[in-house]
Amino acid sequence: EDQVTQSPEALRLQEGESSSLNCSYTVSGLRGLFWYRQDPGKGPEFLFTLYSAGEEKEKERLKATLTKKESFLHITAPKPEDSATYLCAVLPFYSGGSNYKLTFGKGTLLTVNP
Amino acid sequence: DSGVTQTPKHLITATGQRVTLRCSPRSGDLSVYWYQQSLDQGLQFLIQYYNGEERAKGNILERFSAQQFPDLHSELNLSSLELGDSALYFCASSGTSGSSYEQYFGPGTRLTVT
Repeated sequence: EDQVTQSPEALRLQEGESSSLNCSYTVSGLRGLFWYRQDPGKGPEFLFTLYSAGEEKEKERLKATLTKKESFLHITAPKPEDSATYLCAVLPFYSGGSNYKLTFGKGTLLTVNP
Repeated sequence: DSGVTQTPKHLITATGQRVTLRCSPRSGDLSVYWYQQSLDQGLQFLIQYYNGEERAKGNILERFSAQQFPDLHSELNLSSLELGDSALYFCASSGTSGSSYEQYFGPGTRLTVT
């Protein structure tokens, strides 16, 4: 069974204090790993897709990286508006045809204080 | 704005009742996914439709059913509602931009069963 574990569950940072969120996964073969941002009561907002170990993607203050067992979301010099829950999800290789069932982790709640 | 729309935004109903949630995918997307999000379970995949056909199923209860219509909108039907069905229900779609694996989420329907 596919498993996604995110840590820490919650993280408090001061504005400008860089840090990383972790997503560890267990899947028979990884077709893709996805990062989403979710604000309270809103739908998840797509951030990145990573396909292979060593791949990196960047967007503003966020950078996502991927290894064979985990992914990191690095947040550089965060601002209060970066406060949200960050979700990681995996899509396994055995999903055939157009079966694109994602398994999500429970997320990391990031709070950035001014 | 992801381009995915969901109605209604909020729904309050009593135990034993039946409700229908509606989703319109992004223009041209053929896949629609339904997810349930509760505080303790996180984001759980329910079911996927692709161009009108069921493609993947998660831990969807027998009391729940879904369909995708020829115009590609989808409906999730929840019947014999229980208190534990109170949650946020999200629809997502994929297929037309970037990778076809990337799912774009709607704003959700908050269901409260009293």
